Amino acid sequence: AQSVTQPDIHITVSEGASLELRCNYSYGATPYLFWYVQSPGQGLQLLLKYFSGDTLVQGIKGFEAEFKRSQSSFNLRKPSVHWSDAAEYFCAVIRGTGGGNKLTFGTGTQLKVEL
Amino acid sequence: GAVVSQHPSRVICKSGTSVKIECRSLDFQATTMFWYRQFPKQSLMLMATSNEGSKATYEQGVEKDKFLINHASLTLSTLTVTSAHPEDSSFYICSAREGPETQYFGPGTRLLVL
Repeated sequence: AQSVTQPDIHITVSEGASLELRCNYSYGATPYLFWYVQSPGQGLQLLLKYFSGDTLVQGIKGFEAEFKRSQSSFNLRKPSVHWSDAAEYFCAVIRGTGGGNKLTFGTGTQLKVEL
Repeated sequence: GAVVSQHPSRVICKSGTSVKIECRSLDFQATTMFWYRQFPKQSLMLMATSNEGSKATYEQGVEKDKFLINHASLTLSTLTVTSAHPEDSSFYICSAREGPETQYFGPGTRLLVL
């Protein structure tokens, strides 16, 4: 079965510092990969997605993610974090078109931003 | 991105009553919607896949008679928690699929059963 691992449960960064949130997946073929952000008490907002093509994907709010097949990773990055970025971040995968479009989520990374 | 709404945003009910939650895709048609449950500080757990015009598909361990799903139109799916009990208290989130693989999520409904 496919799985998604987000090794960091909590991360704290200073405002203005760079950010990298880790995501690893376990699946033989290339899945469809997503990053979502959830603010307190809110639903999930799609930050970016990767299906194929250029392995560096640009998203909203200044986020980007890089797909690395050799490492089975899809890490999320932002060069300069803003206080409003404090939220829960979820990596998710869909196992290609035969996966029934079901998203499998990682356990999430809680980002805290220090002013 | 596409917009998905949920109503109500929060609801408090007495044990034994039923609660209906609506999920609407506002600017696109969705033949498939999904219902998730999220416990505090945890990830989302898929409960069921809602297909327009047909029966929902439930994940293993989810009681279909407890969580009734109806997807009567291309823009509306409803989740009814029947005979709610305190253990049903949770954050329920729906999503609607646009295109082949992308899901857009509603803001969630917080249910508290007393």
